[in-house]
Amino acid sequence: GAGVSQSPRYKVAKRGQDVALRCDPISGHVSLFWYQQALGQGPEFLTYFQNEAQLDKSGLPSDRFFAERPEGSVSTLKIQRTQQEDSAVYLCASSLPPSYEQYFGPGTRLTVT
Amino acid sequence: DQQVKQNSPSLSVQEGRISILNCDYTNSMFDYFLWYKKYPAEGPTFLISISSIKDKNEDGRFTVFLNKSAKHLSLHIVPSQPGDSAVYFCAASHSFYKYIFGTGTRLKVLA
Repeated sequence: GAGVSQSPRYKVAKRGQDVALRCDPISGHVSLFWYQQALGQGPEFLTYFQNEAQLDKSGLPSDRFFAERPEGSVSTLKIQRTQQEDSAVYLCASSLPPSYEQYFGPGTRLTVT
Repeated sequence: DQQVKQNSPSLSVQEGRISILNCDYTNSMFDYFLWYKKYPAEGPTFLISISSIKDKNEDGRFTVFLNKSAKHLSLHIVPSQPGDSAVYFCAASHSFYKYIFGTGTRLKVLA
């Protein structure tokens, strides 16, 4: 079957604009994760969903970041009033408990100018 | 405070030889460790993992070793192949979902 897909693959936003990043997890995967990867760094955890419930949002850097998964499948990460420091690759991953293995999408590269 | 460290940003190895990638961690609560491989413009791909109750796990050319007393793990690739050239991330977890990643090591296998 298809892997995790993300759209758009690239996004350029002017500072202050709102952006929405989409993630389509692997069908049947109940767990969904968002990560932020800055240049030269490893991915950093942002938030975790189990089905539609957001069980951990401790990694979201500010209240400008918001994630949702209303029907327990597709998820959207929204960033309001983007700042230059938000420039990064945003990775989505999904998994099927009890496996620890997370399957990653290709990421969305966000550039804020 | 970086809980998972990969101190070698890059490594070059001749084709056919062994590649050894290292990872150190500070949190003794971590109980599961994973290695991911990443090609440019792609997401990380799971490679191999190990539970803290083991000290070695092997899968084909890939072996992960865990030294809990030293809080150190390593990934051995033998024999190395040009297709192994990628960035390798180690990750650690003390819950089933929250991974802490290292900064990655870029491996280049020379033909």
